[in-house]
Amino acid sequence: DAKTTQPPSMDCAEGRAANLPCNHSTISGNEYVYWYRQIHSQGPQYIIHGLKNNETNEMASLIITEDRKSSTLILPHATLRDTAVYYCIVPRTNNAGNMLTFGGGTRLMVKP
Amino acid sequence: NAGVTQTPKFQVLKTGQSMTLQCAQDMNHEYMSWYRQDPGMGLRLIHYSVGAGITDQGEVPNGYNVSRSTTEDFPLRLLSAAPSQTSVYFCASSYSGNSNQPQHFGDGTRLSIL
Repeated sequence: DAKTTQPPSMDCAEGRAANLPCNHSTISGNEYVYWYRQIHSQGPQYIIHGLKNNETNEMASLIITEDRKSSTLILPHATLRDTAVYYCIVPRTNNAGNMLTFGGGTRLMVKP
Repeated sequence: NAGVTQTPKFQVLKTGQSMTLQCAQDMNHEYMSWYRQDPGMGLRLIHYSVGAGITDQGEVPNGYNVSRSTTEDFPLRLLSAAPSQTSVYFCASSYSGNSNQPQHFGDGTRLSIL
């Protein structure tokens, strides 16, 4: 499966956009990029995913570079409730199920 | 719409006891899975199921059994609890096992084995 690399931590001011980067240079052509977050000790929460095109939903936007080797998750107006660990994941596509490999993630701290 | 429901939320067991962690989803999802999360670590896949009657092992299946008699339910059984199984357990489901389907997680069961 494609390995992902994220910065361990980031800060963002409340109300500003939070831009979380992820490198996935070994991604293959049919593998999706997913973003999840985990707030404190809750279950992981799905945010967004994409293959090639940029995607937007009610929570966030996902920008994927043309060579697909990196992506950026954008929270357009961060709030204190967005403080969480954010995981960029490229799931396996083999017969071992749709396994999600959660690495270290980025701990986002939204500050007043 | 309840999503993925896990019970109980907390449980303390003694070494050697058995118990079943319950997971139910009301989204008619075919794919369900169990993960465990240890302090400071990522989630590791225990078992998964691509549909009723079909289960398979994940990364760390030893000490756990699963069954999938209905689409809605995917219980995880600890036959003889060990302290190494102290962890937070998360159940997840998705429409199918294809990688273009997002998985949705429950709130977890926090299990302590004494």
